Amino acid sequence: ETGVTQTPRHLVMGMTNKKSLKCEQHLGHNAMYWYKQSAKKPLELMFVYNFKEQTENNSVPSRFSPECPNSSHLFLHLHTLQPEDSALYLCASSQISTSPYEQYFGPGTRLTVT
Amino acid sequence: GQNIDQPTEMTATEGAIVQINCTYQTSGFNGLFWYQQHAGEAPTFLSYNVLDGLEEKGRFSSFLSRSKGYSYLLLKELQMKDSASYLCAVRDLGRGSQGNLIFGKGTKLSVKP
Repeated sequence: ETGVTQTPRHLVMGMTNKKSLKCEQHLGHNAMYWYKQSAKKPLELMFVYNFKEQTENNSVPSRFSPECPNSSHLFLHLHTLQPEDSALYLCASSQISTSPYEQYFGPGTRLTVT
Repeated sequence: GQNIDQPTEMTATEGAIVQINCTYQTSGFNGLFWYQQHAGEAPTFLSYNVLDGLEEKGRFSSFLSRSKGYSYLLLKELQMKDSASYLCAVRDLGRGSQGNLIFGKGTKLSVKP
């Protein structure tokens, strides 16, 4: 248990569906992240939020829409996804004022787009 | 650009020692991390190096040479539970205000009896 929870753990959706992934951190951190993990590829950073403000969008298609209502919660809204978007989506958090700012990861949501 | 290389797979025997290497090229190096990820689970933080040298933490040690762009993770007295993927990640100050992490593809370690 890392202090970061994600729901759902598994999600199957069609290309016309709309769904949301949820992440919650119980560590009092001030930064949260979304990553995509595909087979045989490195973890890819998607979005970064510092103090609820989005500080990075790593060229992510608009069919992925993040939301950070407060420093403990992070959502990833999904719509009109493609089969190549099937992957493990990991949420992480860190305390950016405390070196070494290591990130704590949630268990991920395994997404399958049909 | 940024590039991180580590072997794709390694196999070792229970009780032995294994060294997982990582080489990197970044524009604004500010620390190197090792994470362990068991299948179907979250990556968990193992170690952090920002200065040259060896950091020891129990059975795990991590080494950094900034001039060579090189790090290794050393696992001693291997146990079956050490079978996992080991991810090398570099903080790059050229990526984001506080420096975001760039990950390698990970090394899948299999420990055999």
